[in-house]
Amino acid sequence: RKEVEQDPGPFNVPEGATVAFNCTYSNSASQSFFWYRQDCRKEPKLLMSVYSSGNEDGRFTAQLNRASQYISLLIRDSKLSDSATYLCVVRKGYSTLTFGKGTMLLVSP
Amino acid sequence: DAGVIQSPRHEVTEMGQEVTLRCKPISGHNSLFWYRQTMMRGLELLIYFNNNVPIDDSGMPEDRFSAKMPNASFSTLKIQPSEPRDSAVYFCASSSGYGTSGRYEQYFGPGTRLTVT
Repeated sequence: RKEVEQDPGPFNVPEGATVAFNCTYSNSASQSFFWYRQDCRKEPKLLMSVYSSGNEDGRFTAQLNRASQYISLLIRDSKLSDSATYLCVVRKGYSTLTFGKGTMLLVSP
Repeated sequence: DAGVIQSPRHEVTEMGQEVTLRCKPISGHNSLFWYRQTMMRGLELLIYFNNNVPIDDSGMPEDRFSAKMPNASFSTLKIQPSEPRDSAVYFCASSSGYGTSGRYEQYFGPGTRLTVT
């Protein structure tokens, strides 16, 4: 089983739609969780950390379920500029991150 | 502020040649990471340094790959000899740990797109 698994997509949604991505991780000792965003032919950038109680940053909401080893990202009111690949990321050691292969989102007019 | 700087941005080389990728981390960051990204395998950690010391190189594919960090502002990843299966985007990232913000983040450079023919 892969350490971090994501549906590769693509998810095709119209502007204004709400879309949700899920991610599962295999190592129950994982300590921290993140969503990174990667635009086409660019480097990954941190979108948001994921906290146990769930957290929101504008149109983005992240949730963590440690019992099910499951992380989610919800995007409300999708914009064209949200089109990107979203990487689910898990930290287990002090510094090392394990990345999922990403879920591609395409937002159309 | 300058982010992580990588060079070259693109490299095309022939099988068997030596390839050297370079990285300058963000000033003040004490951790540096080398990753490789391919469609098939996604983003994989190759090696990481803390305070210029290699901590975990278990992701380095084989002896053809080597990495050095002679000082806090410079690191290299070398492939010798290169093979077509090494074709990928190689990212360097740096981090200051949790710092004062309490938030952990790795900052990525723009990557080096390597093609080995």
